Amino acid sequence: EPEVTQTPSHQVTQMGQEVILRCVPISNHLYFYWYRQILGQKVEFLVSFYNNEISEKSEIFDDQFSVERPDGSNFTLKIRSTKLEDSAMYFCASRVDSQETQYFGPGTRLLVL
Amino acid sequence: KQEVTQIPAALSVPEGENLVLNCSFTDSAIYNLQWFRQDPGKGLTSLLLIQSSQREQTSGRLNASLDKSSGRSTLYIAASQPGDSATYLCAVRNQGGKLIFGQGTELSVKP
Repeated sequence: EPEVTQTPSHQVTQMGQEVILRCVPISNHLYFYWYRQILGQKVEFLVSFYNNEISEKSEIFDDQFSVERPDGSNFTLKIRSTKLEDSAMYFCASRVDSQETQYFGPGTRLLVL
Repeated sequence: KQEVTQIPAALSVPEGENLVLNCSFTDSAIYNLQWFRQDPGKGLTSLLLIQSSQREQTSGRLNASLDKSSGRSTLYIAASQPGDSATYLCAVRNQGGKLIFGQGTELSVKP
């Protein structure tokens, strides 16, 4: 069964460094999302992406964050200058146009030191 | 602003028991509601999705109901098994597409 994949599974970085989190959505899906979950807290929406542009973003998604679909398969989240409070599990999700269910990847655990 | 709340925060039951998890939301103008399962340190697995026009959905031992006007949904798990132990999340979708999550109910089913 097709699934959303994410790499890396874990990343440790120093504060102020740039990180890129990668996602491969399910192949025929058209809507893409990033969410994050700080340890012990709710899953929070970051950004949605459709037709090669951002369709919605949260207050968290400031100018330190960016998303890109560089080719037909990858969907990336970039954090330009990481902060301690960016430490979280980052989830990518996708859905097909004709269905409502969002399918989530296994997540990337980011630790900023 | 939409707020999603789940009670209880944690629940421990003996194997075989039927149980109900609750989810409430403050703004009834939702597009749909989705229940997920999350195992420790893992991603989210979609269990059931209920459209705003529907009252319930069933999948195997799971039944989810939706009362949009009162801002409530329940997830009923029949004949619980130790393998059902996980955190269960509900999330509502707004018109724009983003999901707004509750904090989850951590379920433990004891053999």
